[in-house]
Amino acid sequence: QKEVEQNSGPLSVPEGAIASLNCTYSDRGSQSFFWYRQYSGKSPELIMSIYSNGDKEDGRFTAQLNKASQYVSLLIRDSQPSDSATYLCAVNRSGGSNYKLTFGKGTLLTVNP
Amino acid sequence: EPEVTQTPSHQVTQMGQEVILRCVPISNHLYFYWYRQILGQKVEFLVSFYNNEISEKSEIFDDQFSVERPDGSNFTLKIRSTKLEDSAMYFCASSLTVELFFGSGTQLSVL
Repeated sequence: QKEVEQNSGPLSVPEGAIASLNCTYSDRGSQSFFWYRQYSGKSPELIMSIYSNGDKEDGRFTAQLNKASQYVSLLIRDSQPSDSATYLCAVNRSGGSNYKLTFGKGTLLTVNP
Repeated sequence: EPEVTQTPSHQVTQMGQEVILRCVPISNHLYFYWYRQILGQKVEFLVSFYNNEISEKSEIFDDQFSVERPDGSNFTLKIRSTKLEDSAMYFCASSLTVELFFGSGTQLSVL
């Protein structure tokens, strides 16, 4: 069973702080890694993708990947109340005729004003 | 900005009835997916579809379920003889390659 594990939270940070979200995965064949944001009752929204070891920055978001440790993280700098949501880690074992994602259960982030 | 469109947003049905959930993927995308999310649980893969055929399906996607791309734009999920445990949010997604984009979902309630 290919698993993606996340701390369910809730993770609570004050406005302006750095939020750190973590994810581990079990399938060493995983090639692509994603962070989705999901507001309550809404659909997952893609916010970051990362494919190689190291850091990838996009605005206030930084994704980090360590394939040897099978670990992905997301840092959110200068957290805003609007960042309050569930953050889903998803991985893909590319190849074949689909790009199916396996999701973690998500970490609920609350940013307090 | 292109988006995946799903209809209806809410569907209420009686146990044992058939429902069809509809999706219009992003127009140049080649891969199509259905996922579901039971309240409070993770987003679960149901099926992927490419080149007019199913490319992978999960254990959940049994004979009760079917998918179809009846024309160049629509992608449907049919659930026959619905059960109480089919109540969930159903998401359609599409992709050109590795990045999946999700529709807003259909909340299915089976009574």
